[in-house]
Amino acid sequence: AQSVTQPDIHITVSEGASLELRCNYSYGATPYLFWYVQSPGQGLQLLLKYFSGDTLVQGIKGFEAEFKRSQSSFNLRKPSVHWSDAAEYFCAVGAFYNQGGKLIFGQGTELSVKP
Amino acid sequence: EAGVAQSPRYKIIEKRQSVAFWCNPISGHATLYWYQQILGQGPKLLIQFQNNGVVDDSQLPKDRFSAERLKGVDSTLKIQPAKLEDSAVYLCASSPTLAGELFFGEGSRLTVL
Repeated sequence: AQSVTQPDIHITVSEGASLELRCNYSYGATPYLFWYVQSPGQGLQLLLKYFSGDTLVQGIKGFEAEFKRSQSSFNLRKPSVHWSDAAEYFCAVGAFYNQGGKLIFGQGTELSVKP
Repeated sequence: EAGVAQSPRYKIIEKRQSVAFWCNPISGHATLYWYQQILGQGPKLLIQFQNNGVVDDSQLPKDRFSAERLKGVDSTLKIQPAKLEDSAVYLCASSPTLAGELFFGEGSRLTVL
């Protein structure tokens, strides 16, 4: 069965420090992978997505993620965190097929940013 | 371009009462999803529509939840009767294709007392 694991429930980093959020997936075929961000009281906003091609994907707000098939991972990174990056981050795998499909989400990682 | 619209944003009800949530997807998006997000968890798919047909409702508790998408545009999700464990944020999302990026609304937060 398809699944997504985000090992870190909560991470705190200092403003200006680098960030890496971990994501591991289980999927039988070539996955479509996504990172979404959710600010309090808001819906989910897409940060970046991987469908195929270059395994290093650039997204919005200075985020990037690297797809590593051998490790079944799709970790999210940012070189320098800003206070406004404090939010909940969700990794998702797209389980798609001819007649439909869906995104399967991890449980999320809450990011706090220290001044 | 207008985003996915949902209403109401907040709803508080007593257990065993009923509630309905409405979603208007992005214009032209044929695929519509309802997700349930319980506090501290990732969103879980309840139902997926392609135009006005149901593609996947395997995770929908059909004894109390129902959803429809008349005319392939707006959608309504209903809970009757509500239970305490239904307290969650109900997220509506739409997509232009069956396989691709989902665009989410701000969600409807339900509290069942």
